[in-house]
Amino acid sequence: GAVVSQHPSRVICKSGTSVKIECRSLDFQATTMFWYRQFPKKSLMLMATSNEGSKATYEQGVEKDKFLINHASLTLSTLTVTSAHPEDSSFYICSARDSGRASYNEQFFGPGTRLTVL
Amino acid sequence: AQSVTQPDIHITVSEGASLELRCNYSYGATPYLFWYVQSPGQGLQLLLKYFSGDTLVQGIKGFEAEFKRSQSSFNLRKPSVHWSDAAEYFCAVGPPYSGGGADGLTFGKGTHLIIQP
Repeated sequence: GAVVSQHPSRVICKSGTSVKIECRSLDFQATTMFWYRQFPKKSLMLMATSNEGSKATYEQGVEKDKFLINHASLTLSTLTVTSAHPEDSSFYICSARDSGRASYNEQFFGPGTRLTVL
Repeated sequence: AQSVTQPDIHITVSEGASLELRCNYSYGATPYLFWYVQSPGQGLQLLLKYFSGDTLVQGIKGFEAEFKRSQSSFNLRKPSVHWSDAAEYFCAVGPPYSGGGADGLTFGKGTHLIIQP
């Protein structure tokens, strides 16, 4: 149980285009999902917290207009990288918190999406 | 602000030898503590977690970790490593659920584990 999927696993796009990444909780409901970014050989940095039915909460330094987050259902959150540039190339990982076990703040991670912007 | 320190960037261990990965944290209260493992190009797999109670926690793949409040540490151990344990290991700290946002995890920089034959 507690499986989180991400789609796509890899994406290559041209500079200036937008890319959408999906994060799904497959066997549980997730009121809250999180988006992290991981640079090569670096740790994961929390970008934003996505709450179903409300606006996302962004971490300091993360551009809200560049990284659009939508959490339209209890099993799906999307991250759209708008007008992508090479510096946006990274490994994006989402996590989801099981609404039924939220008190433990246990997060289940997706397999990640490798974004390469040419 | 919370922070996690993993002082060892790389660790090399012979197969069959014991392992200890260090993790120290800074947090205003007792946090929730996690160890994750990441294989190249993959997502994170939870090895174990500590919320409360017994300070020695058992995880998957033969790993265990001990929470020491006085030392603000949560070190990961395994008595005998296997070649398949080679990976990146992350310690993370998070707050108890607050009912709202700001519950994301703070990760250490990771320790790269190399297994020698």
